[in-house]
Amino acid sequence: GAGVSQSPSNKVTEKGKDVELRCDPISGHTALYWYRQRLGQGLEFLIYFQGNSAPDKSGLPSDRFSAERTGESVSTLTIQRTQQEDSAVYLCASSLGREGLYEQYFGPGTRLTVT
Amino acid sequence: GQSLEQPSEVTAVEGAIVQINCTYQTSGFYGLSWYQQHDGGAPTFLSYNALDGLEETGRFSSFLSRSDSYGYLLLQELQMKDSASYFCAVRVLSTGNTPLVFGKGTRLSVIA
Repeated sequence: GAGVSQSPSNKVTEKGKDVELRCDPISGHTALYWYRQRLGQGLEFLIYFQGNSAPDKSGLPSDRFSAERTGESVSTLTIQRTQQEDSAVYLCASSLGREGLYEQYFGPGTRLTVT
Repeated sequence: GQSLEQPSEVTAVEGAIVQINCTYQTSGFYGLSWYQQHDGGAPTFLSYNALDGLEETGRFSSFLSRSDSYGYLLLQELQMKDSASYFCAVRVLSTGNTPLVFGKGTRLSVIA
């Protein structure tokens, strides 16, 4: 009965480097979401996966951001050529499909610091 | 597009009652959720209203008025541990994939 897990918990990288963030959703949850949260701010939607449907990428801020999901399990968020404004906590969430998207279960997040 | 408005900060006394309001403007509306987030923690789901009226879960209640595009979260018998940020989020009717749109959050400080 594990919850959503994310790794790494913290990542410090130099400007211009690529980073990969990982999310393991709750088993059986077909929907998976990525959000960005800057310090003291709200949740900024990035991308949404639902089963085998094409992902909703409408929240990705630039083409430096991309995400993949393997079936209905692990997802990775990749940020290429990181910039200082990418520094934030990246949260992953999952839910019981599209009908359950109002009740999302969040992971602990990855705190990304770009120096 | 979608927009949600909620107060940025609220302060209340331990043992008291506090109401956190949320108004929304959406192109289509399906329901309103509330989440709690402690500093450094992950958001956790509190409640969901799809229909008008009050939903009660222990010390927390959530209300929705679809005609007024308005909802609120009511916290009773406030405890120090209730100090956290509270986010309202709307589920929007649209074709295709439908994410949940979050407000910017209300930071609640409970004081002795």
